Amino acid sequence: RKEVEQDPGPFNVPEGATVAFNCTYSNSASQSFFWYRQDCRKEPKLLMSVYSSGNEDGRFTAQLNRASQYISLLIRDSKLSDSATYLCVVNSMGNTDKLIFGTGTRLQVFP
Amino acid sequence: GAGVSQSPRYKVAKRGQDVALRCDPISGHVSLFWYQQALGQGPEFLTYFQNEAQLDKSGLPSDRFFAERPEGSVSTLKIQRTQQEDSAVYLCASSGHPNFSSYNEQFFGPGTRLTVL
Repeated sequence: RKEVEQDPGPFNVPEGATVAFNCTYSNSASQSFFWYRQDCRKEPKLLMSVYSSGNEDGRFTAQLNRASQYISLLIRDSKLSDSATYLCVVNSMGNTDKLIFGTGTRLQVFP
Repeated sequence: GAGVSQSPRYKVAKRGQDVALRCDPISGHVSLFWYQQALGQGPEFLTYFQNEAQLDKSGLPSDRFFAERPEGSVSTLKIQRTQQEDSAVYLCASSGHPNFSSYNEQFFGPGTRLTVL
């Protein structure tokens, strides 16, 4: 079983739609959580960090449920430019600070 | 400003060849990571340097993979006797000094796309 699991999609949604992505992680010692965005043939870029209290950045809302080991990302009013792969990422910190990535969920927004 | 750079951007190797992939991190960044991203998958951790010290190499898939960062800046990932399963994008990332109370964002380079024929 992968340490971070997410639905690979693709999610095909019209412009203006609201779409939600979920992921689960298996290591309860994980300390930091993120959503990264990766455009086709580009490097991953940090979209937002995820906190238990929930956090919002414009049209994007991220939520963490530590008890269920579950992370979510909500995108409201989807734009064509939101089309990308969204990677759920966990960081266990400690000596290494390495990132553990999910497979990614592909989003395609159509006109 | 200058971000993380990697070279070459594309590399085609015949099976059995040795390859060397270079990463130039953001100036002053102490931490450097290598990840491997296979087609349709998320990046997977290979190895981590803090300055010139390789503190974690637990993700290297075999002893054909070797990484170094002799002067604490530029890093090279070397793959010996390449196999077809080594075909992937190799991503380098750098970040500031590790801080155990908060996360230092990792900035990724564009990657090297390796194809082994």
